[in-house]
Amino acid sequence: DQQVKQNSPSLSVQEGRISILNCDYTNSMFDYFLWYKKYPAEGPTFLISISSIKDKNEDGRFTVFLNKSAKHLSLHIVPSQPGDSAVYFCAASARGYSGGGADGLTFGKGTHLIIQP
Amino acid sequence: GAGVSQTPSNKVTEKGKYVELRCDPISGHTALYWYRQSLGQGPEFLIYFQGTGAADDSGLPNDRFFAVRPEGSVSTLKIQRTERGDSAVYLCASSLGGTGGGKNIQYFGAGTRLSVL
Repeated sequence: DQQVKQNSPSLSVQEGRISILNCDYTNSMFDYFLWYKKYPAEGPTFLISISSIKDKNEDGRFTVFLNKSAKHLSLHIVPSQPGDSAVYFCAASARGYSGGGADGLTFGKGTHLIIQP
Repeated sequence: GAGVSQTPSNKVTEKGKYVELRCDPISGHTALYWYRQSLGQGPEFLIYFQGTGAADDSGLPNDRFFAVRPEGSVSTLKIQRTERGDSAVYLCASSLGGTGGGKNIQYFGAGTRLSVL
């Protein structure tokens, strides 16, 4: 039973264009969502997060959108750069924002983003 | 500053042997997490420590897996009677802990690649 789903195993985007990575979740208790970026042989690196009380969070070239009614979030990267080529993981937490403590994250399977020159 | 450190980076063992994997979290982080990542999958939560105590060990797959954090800093994941199916990358993460989204951002180490022959 996958509670966090990333349905696109890979995505190819031309340099300079917008990359849109999608994530769906099924657990209504999730209240905090994070995106991580992973290069080969390295651990996941935190990119950006959003709490369930917001519908958008922006940090430089990265914007995350949350649609709670659809249980869907997306990560937009604009403009895409060659260094953005990596695997992107969507993760969710059920007590991560307001629940009085941290808990283990539930991850999707990841989307491999390839930026074409 | 120093990030999360995991040793060894690679571990090869034989079926039935005992292994220990070490994690040194970011200084000042009270929360520590262990995850396991198999090929083509996202990280899977194993156990979470708040200070010295295991706050949630619901992700440990069976009683061959055990983790400790005796002084609230370094943690060791212990696997007894290893099986070929235990082969994976074992990731450790730490966070500040406490309420508020920013305190629950988890920072990952590079992982230990365990191979059970």
